[in-house]
Amino acid sequence: AQSVTQPDIHITVSEGASLELRCNYSYGATPYLFWYVQSPGQGLQLLLKYFSGDTLVQGIKGFEAEFKRSQSSFNLRKPSVHWSDAAEYFCAVASNTGGFKTIFGAGTRLFVKA
Amino acid sequence: GAVVSQHPSRVICKSGTSVKIECRSLDFQATTMFWYRQFPKQSLMLMATSNEGSKATYEQGVEKDKFLINHASLTLSTLTVTSAHPEDSSFYICSADSQGLNTEAFFGQGTRLTVV
Repeated sequence: AQSVTQPDIHITVSEGASLELRCNYSYGATPYLFWYVQSPGQGLQLLLKYFSGDTLVQGIKGFEAEFKRSQSSFNLRKPSVHWSDAAEYFCAVASNTGGFKTIFGAGTRLFVKA
Repeated sequence: GAVVSQHPSRVICKSGTSVKIECRSLDFQATTMFWYRQFPKQSLMLMATSNEGSKATYEQGVEKDKFLINHASLTLSTLTVTSAHPEDSSFYICSADSQGLNTEAFFGQGTRLTVV
């Protein structure tokens, strides 16, 4: 069965500092991998996705993620965090069999301090 | 990307009543739709998968008689919470995809249900 682990429940970084959010997945084949961001009381916004090709994926808002098959990881990074990046981040995995059934990790809450 | 619209965005209902949430794909035909539930400060948990014209497939632990799902057309799926109770208060989100044509599912903006 597919599963996603986000080991950090919350992370605090200073504005301007770099950020890395960890994500590990479990899936039998090459999965579709996603990072979503959710602000309080809001829906999901897709930051980036990976399903094939270059393992370093660029997304919106200056985010990137690297797929490492050997480590079953898909960590999200940003070189310089802005205060507006404070939100909940979800890593997700999906398969394209019978529809895009997306399984989410527990989420990581990002706090940004001035 | 494709657009999925959920309605209503917020609803308050009295305990014991039923409430219907709609999920529409606006610019593509959604062969499959998914319904998720999110409690405060928690992740999204898949409730069920619905395919157009078929009965929904529910995840373990989800009461199918309480959460009625109908996917009667390629652009509309509905989730009806029957005999709602305060513990059903949650954020419900749908997603939709057109199998084979996309590399992701498209999510609605969610519905905040409060049962009083």
